[in-house]
Amino acid sequence: GAGVSQSPRYKVAKRGQDVALRCDPISGHVSLFWYQQALGQGPEFLTYFQNEAQLDKSGLPSDRFFAERPEGSVSTLKIQRTQQEDSAVYLCASSLGAAGGRGASTDTQYFGPGTRLTVL
Amino acid sequence: RKEVEQDPGPFNVPEGATVAFNCTYSNSASQSFFWYRQDCRKEPKLLMSVYSSGNEDGRFTAQLNRASQYISLLIRDSKLSDSATYLCVVNMYNFNKFYFGSGTKLNVKP
Repeated sequence: GAGVSQSPRYKVAKRGQDVALRCDPISGHVSLFWYQQALGQGPEFLTYFQNEAQLDKSGLPSDRFFAERPEGSVSTLKIQRTQQEDSAVYLCASSLGAAGGRGASTDTQYFGPGTRLTVL
Repeated sequence: RKEVEQDPGPFNVPEGATVAFNCTYSNSASQSFFWYRQDCRKEPKLLMSVYSSGNEDGRFTAQLNRASQYISLLIRDSKLSDSATYLCVVNMYNFNKFYFGSGTKLNVKP
C-alpha cells in the first residue's frame, strides 16, 4: 500500500549500542513527526520536520537522540548509547500539509506501524 | 500537569450500549482536536477530527466545549469491533506539537 512504513519493526539492542530507525512517509507529505510511546501511555512528541527542515526537536529526551530527513522524504531517528529507559515503541507519522495549518486535510496524521525497541 | 488528560478506563460495556468518554486539555489556545483509535500493538488511526462545535460520523459523535476545555466522544450501539483504546489529541494552530492523552480503553462484550 501507500501508507507510512517503518523499519525495522522490532529491534533488540544491548545497553550502550547505537540504533537507527527508519521511516518512509507517504509520498508527497510535507510534515513528518516522530513519537515515543511507552507501554500504557499515549504517544509523546519527539520531533517534527517540514520537508527537510527540522522545525521542532523540543521533545527529544536527550542529546543521545538525533533525527534527520535530508531530502525531505525518508527520515531516520538515531539513538546513541541506548539505555533501558529508551525501550518503547517509536512511531512515525506524516501529514500532507504543514503542521499548524487549518483544515483536516492538512492536519490528519497517518502513522506507521512503529518500531518496538527493547534495550537489554 | 499534562496537556491532555483522559480517564484510562477500562470501560466495559455490553454490545449495543452507548458509551461516552471525556478528555480535558489545559491550554486554552488549543485549536485542533482529534480522536484517534489504537488497537492493541497497532498504530493510532484517525477516528474523527473536531473543529467547531462537534462532529457526527455514523455511530460516533464528538463534541467540543471550549469554555470548559474538554472534548467528548460518544459511541452509540457499541460493536465488539469498537473495543480499542481511544486517544484524545490536541494541537494549536501555528505550532508543530500534537499532544496525545494516555488513552481510554474500551471493552465491548457480547
